[in-house]
This record gives sequence, structure tokens and C-alpha cells, in this order.
Amino acid sequence: AQSVTQLGSHVSVSEGALVLLRCNYSSSVPPYLFWYVQYPNQGLQLLLKYTSAATLVKGINGFEAEFKKSETSFHLTKPSAHMSDAAEYFCAVSENNDMRFGAGTRLTVKP
Amino acid sequence: GAGVSQTPSNKVTEKGKYVELRCDPISGHTALYWYRQSLGQGPEFLIYFQGTGAADDSGLPNDRFFAVRPEGSVSTLKIQRTERGDSAVYLCASSSVKSEQFFGPGTRLTVL
Repeated sequence: AQSVTQLGSHVSVSEGALVLLRCNYSSSVPPYLFWYVQYPNQGLQLLLKYTSAATLVKGINGFEAEFKKSETSFHLTKPSAHMSDAAEYFCAVSENNDMRFGAGTRLTVKP
Repeated sequence: GAGVSQTPSNKVTEKGKYVELRCDPISGHTALYWYRQSLGQGPEFLIYFQGTGAADDSGLPNDRFFAVRPEGSVSTLKIQRTERGDSAVYLCASSSVKSEQFFGPGTRLTVL
């Protein structure tokens, strides 16, 4: 069965610094991988998805993620953090139609 | 409204009571999903509908939980004899064929 592990439940960066949120997956077949963002009291919003096309995936709000099969990773990055990026971020994997989420990483951006 | 909607947004009930949570998916989406998100955790898969039928209900924790989608659109998640451990945010999502899932804002259930 598929699963994801997000390393680091909390990440804090300064405004303008690099954002790196880690995700490792486990899947028995080539997976679909996703990153979602959740702002306080709001629903999950898709940032980007990997569906076996390009390994470097660009998403909204300047985020991108790279699929590395050899490392079973799908880490999320953004070159320069903005205050508005403060939120909870979830990595997810889907083999069929069900989706398995990681526990989430809370990103704090310091001025 | 173009998005997934869920009602109520908040529900407070007493232990042992019955509750129903409603999800209105995006029009035309054939797939509908229910998840439960406990505090400090990621969403946990409960059940997936394709049309009117439950294609995968392996995530339902026990027989107190049941969901229906009688006309292939709106879905209702039903919880009998609620327990304090059922307190969580219940998320609904919908998708069309091969698209990503679009999530609703959730229903926050509190069982006192």
C-alpha cells in the first residue's frame, strides 16, 4: 500500500529564504504525487502534482517539486519565502483513486 | 458556486447522538471522496464513490460510519452513536476522470 512520510512537522524560515519541505513516498507502482496547502480554516488547495511526465513539476505561488525515483522523494521547494506562504503543507500519494496523505508540515515565515 | 461545498461548517453534538454531514461536489464530477482530519494530522481516507456506488470503503473505521450518494451527486456521511474520538474535521473532495481532487472547506465535528 502507498504511504508518504513528511520529515519535520514544523519548518521555520525567514522571509526571502529558501523553503524546503521534505516528502518521501512508498508505492508499489509508479505513483501520482501531490502537494497540497491548507491555510487556517480553509480547505486543501492543490499546489502541484506529478503524473509521470516531467520529473520537475512547477506549481502555483512559485513552488516546485522534483520527483526522484532513486530516492523515493518528492520534496517541495520555493526559492524565496513570502509571509503569505505560512500554512500547513501536505504531501500525498495516489496509486488508484484513493489518496494517502502525510502528517503535514507547518511552515512559519519570520519577518 | 464552482467549488465543493460542505454543510454544516460546524457541528457540535453529544456522545451517543447521530449526525449527518453533507457534501455537494463540483457539478459533473463523478468521483467523490470523504476524509477525516484529526488535529495535527493529515487527512485520512474514509470512502470513495464512483457515481452512486462506493468503490472503496476500506477507510471507514467501523460500522458506525456509513456514507451514501444515491443520485451520484450529493453525498451524506452518517455517523451513529457518536464518540468523543469521532471529533475531527471531515473533508469531502470530488474529481472528474483523471483530474486532481478538489476539496471542500470541511465540517468540524465536535462530540461532547
